[in-house]
Amino acid sequence: QVQLKESGPGPVQPSETLSLTCTVSGFSLTSYGVNWVRQPPGKGLEWMGRMRYNGDTSYNSALKSRLSISRDTSKNQVFLKMNSLQTDDTGTYYCTRGGSFDYWGQGVMVTVSS
Amino acid sequence: DIQMTQSPASLSASLGETVTIECRASEDIYNGLAWYQQKPGKSPQLLIYNANSLHTGVPSRFSGSGSGTQYSLKINSLQSEDVASYFCQQYYNYPLTFGSGTKLEIK
Repeated sequence: QVQLKESGPGPVQPSETLSLTCTVSGFSLTSYGVNWVRQPPGKGLEWMGRMRYNGDTSYNSALKSRLSISRDTSKNQVFLKMNSLQTDDTGTYYCTRGGSFDYWGQGVMVTVSS
Repeated sequence: DIQMTQSPASLSASLGETVTIECRASEDIYNGLAWYQQKPGKSPQLLIYNANSLHTGVPSRFSGSGSGTQYSLKINSLQSEDVASYFCQQYYNYPLTFGSGTKLEIK
């Protein structure tokens, strides 16, 4: 069955770089894209960017200067890297499948704190 | 960027009632709209795509409608398991953007 699972480092210090991995199963990264979406505690959802099935990427312009999304199709993994973290980057980070966001990972909590 | 204005921010209704949540886009999004349900402590789940298409496995008491800049999600015969936050999302243009959410509670 289709599954996505985010993994990450836990607490991060301000100004550091965040690295997250989305490991997928039940579908191919060369057939479906993967999005990253984040949610600050108690707030709404923000689309961060997308790795398309063909390897192209799209980014939210508000984050583009800090954000990079890549993938390793042999490992069924999509990676997110975001630099210059601040406290307002704290939240739950999700990966979701494809253009229709039809499957979501469980999310990973990222806390940016000194 | 396309702004999605969602209303109301919160909603309280009785079991068995019908509720409607609205979403207005800042420009025409040509039915490129989805609705998601997020239960407390859980990931969002897709309910509706293309404004009015029910995602597989979603109960038929959920329905979506609208066109142009105005869209709505209707829940018939409200059940206790419908307690959740609901978000609209436009995917007509980048960056993809979400509404601010509606928190639905049972009276």
